[in-house]
Amino acid sequence: DIQMTQSPSTLPASVGDRVTITCRASQSISSWLAWYQQKPGKAPKLLISKASNLESGVPSRFSGSGSATEFTLTISSLQPDDFATYYCQQYHSPPWTFGQGTKVEI
Amino acid sequence: EVQLVESGGGLVQPGGSLRLSCAASGFTFSRYDMHWVRQAPGKGLEWVSVIGTTGDTYYPVSVKGRFTISRENAKNSLYLQMNNLRAGDTAVYYCAREGTCSSVSCPLDYWGQGILVTVSS
Repeated sequence: DIQMTQSPSTLPASVGDRVTITCRASQSISSWLAWYQQKPGKAPKLLISKASNLESGVPSRFSGSGSATEFTLTISSLQPDDFATYYCQQYHSPPWTFGQGTKVEI
Repeated sequence: EVQLVESGGGLVQPGGSLRLSCAASGFTFSRYDMHWVRQAPGKGLEWVSVIGTTGDTYYPVSVKGRFTISRENAKNSLYLQMNNLRAGDTAVYYCAREGTCSSVSCPLDYWGQGILVTVSS
């Protein structure tokens, strides 16, 4: 199975900060990586696919980069609505696996 | 508007069974691969199963042999039959649609609201 490791687990931040979350895969997954945002009590929301493709309706302050085994999610200027938990997920091959999550908090 | 609505959750004793359902609307259900993903209380996301448009299925080792995913295209419905449940299966279970993309597999673009399954005596 492909293991996905996110860092950090918790990210203290303030409104206006630039934040970066890292996701590492245990083997190459090319660019078959997605990022999701989840708020408490809600379902995850797809933000980015294929490592860097922003989904329709997602603010442009979100961006993704990387390939093979190392990926990043960047929020250029953190907004109040962005305080949430973020997960990476590989869809290169089954079993599909998620990172353990990064909670962006005040 | 795409909607996925789970039902069938609840409290079940260890060793018991439960069948989850997911009612889909707003898209041509038969044309999409469908997944179940779960989240234990306070924990991260864990993929549980997928069923393709032709009925092929995959499971992780943690549920293989105990869980069965199925679909009924005529009813726009997805199911998860869970047998021999354990305390570790306690979680919110989400059904999710796999989107379309340029790869064999794609990200999950729509999710239901989730349904809680509690395994406890």
